[in-house]
Amino acid sequence: GQQLNQSPQSMFIQEGEDVSMNCTSSSIFNTWLWYKQDPGEGPVLLIALYKAGELTSNGRLTAQFGITRKDSFLNISASIPSDVGIYFCAGQLVEVQKLVFGQGTRLTINP
Amino acid sequence: NAGVMQNPRHLVRRRGQEARLRCSPMKGHSHVYWYRQLPEEGLKFMVYLQKENIIDESGMPKERFSAEFPKEGPSILRIQQVVRGDSAAYFCASSLSPNQPQHFGDGTRLSIL
Repeated sequence: GQQLNQSPQSMFIQEGEDVSMNCTSSSIFNTWLWYKQDPGEGPVLLIALYKAGELTSNGRLTAQFGITRKDSFLNISASIPSDVGIYFCAGQLVEVQKLVFGQGTRLTINP
Repeated sequence: NAGVMQNPRHLVRRRGQEARLRCSPMKGHSHVYWYRQLPEEGLKFMVYLQKENIIDESGMPKERFSAEFPKEGPSILRIQQVVRGDSAAYFCASSLSPNQPQHFGDGTRLSIL
């Protein structure tokens, strides 16, 4: 079945640093999404990408849909304490609506 | 601001009992998806439903699990004769149309004694 490899699995950074994480797949996806999950809550949509090569920003977050349609990255600039959480990438095919999720990147910020 | 509403938030069952998890989609959304999450893992797709129809159940275990989304009322994920391995967080998502982003509820944490 389809699998997404998300890296790194965890990150420990200082407040104010920039963060970069990525997701790769052996399969092509038509849509890439990035979600953030806080403890005890559901994933919250951060950014949705629909076209290969697309670069989209949402405040301090920037995500790109890889040209090959098999990868995506998420950058967070100037991290703040509320950025702490688990970030998930998810891929979707047009003809199959289910999302395939990566294993998550756990972000910890030292003040 | 009515997002995806799931209840109960926590559910405890003994082995052999039935678990019923409810999901009310966002207002105007007619597409509902159920996912399961084990600790320290990503979400795994279970089933996709539209009103009164199951569209894709490729992620559902063949036995004991069923889902419905009736014309009126919430979507229900039903697990019969629960076993310890059913312990997990179950998330529901909804979307306006099949190709619109899915928005998630806060999940039901199911614990099996």
